[in-house]
Amino acid sequence: AQKITQTQPGMFVQEKEAVTLDCTYDTSDPSYGLFWYKQPSSGEMIFLIYQGSYDQQNATEGRYSLNFQKARKSANLVISASQLGDSAMYFCAMREARNQFYFGTGTSLTVIP
Amino acid sequence: DADVTQTPRNRITKTGKRIMLECSQTKGHDRMYWYRQDPGLGLRLIYYSFDVKDINKGEISDGYSVSRQAQAKFSLSLESAIPNQTALYFCATSVGAGGRMSTDTQYFGPGTRLTVL
Repeated sequence: AQKITQTQPGMFVQEKEAVTLDCTYDTSDPSYGLFWYKQPSSGEMIFLIYQGSYDQQNATEGRYSLNFQKARKSANLVISASQLGDSAMYFCAMREARNQFYFGTGTSLTVIP
Repeated sequence: DADVTQTPRNRITKTGKRIMLECSQTKGHDRMYWYRQDPGLGLRLIYYSFDVKDINKGEISDGYSVSRQAQAKFSLSLESAIPNQTALYFCATSVGAGGRMSTDTQYFGPGTRLTVL
């Protein structure tokens, strides 16, 4: 089974609107971390946000928030007030307590002016 | 200056050649990683190192070797390059998080685009 599943190969959003990028994960570890990274066309991987499995509240970092639904094993990224510079690939990742780190296949986000 | 640097940034080589990709970091992190990225497959872990004396195979280590020369340097070698090793290669570092391994965020270098003809 896939450890990280991102079912949206491509997404479009109007500038200034909010968008949700989906991520589901699979683990039997009680302790794990969930991460989102952004990869612009220039290629670098930029860390955006982290959510721990024991964290009670959803993580937020500026315009990024992580909608963590533990029972559903989902960790969706919400980007509010989209900007043209948000156009990029977005990767969801998970680290299990045994230090294995898994990436999803990514979602390509295009922000339309 | 970038915290994690990779050299070269781009490389074209021929089948059968030996090639080394280098990674240096100034973040002071103990842990270093090598990944490859292929279109539609996300990132896959090749090797990782938790300190100079601790090196571990990742998901796809066959055809690769690594050397951790110092805390700040971690190199990846392809002993005899083949075309299906054409990919974007990333080095990453993390600080280590003591008992809470799952919180250990990885920070990436800019990537090396390798083409094997």
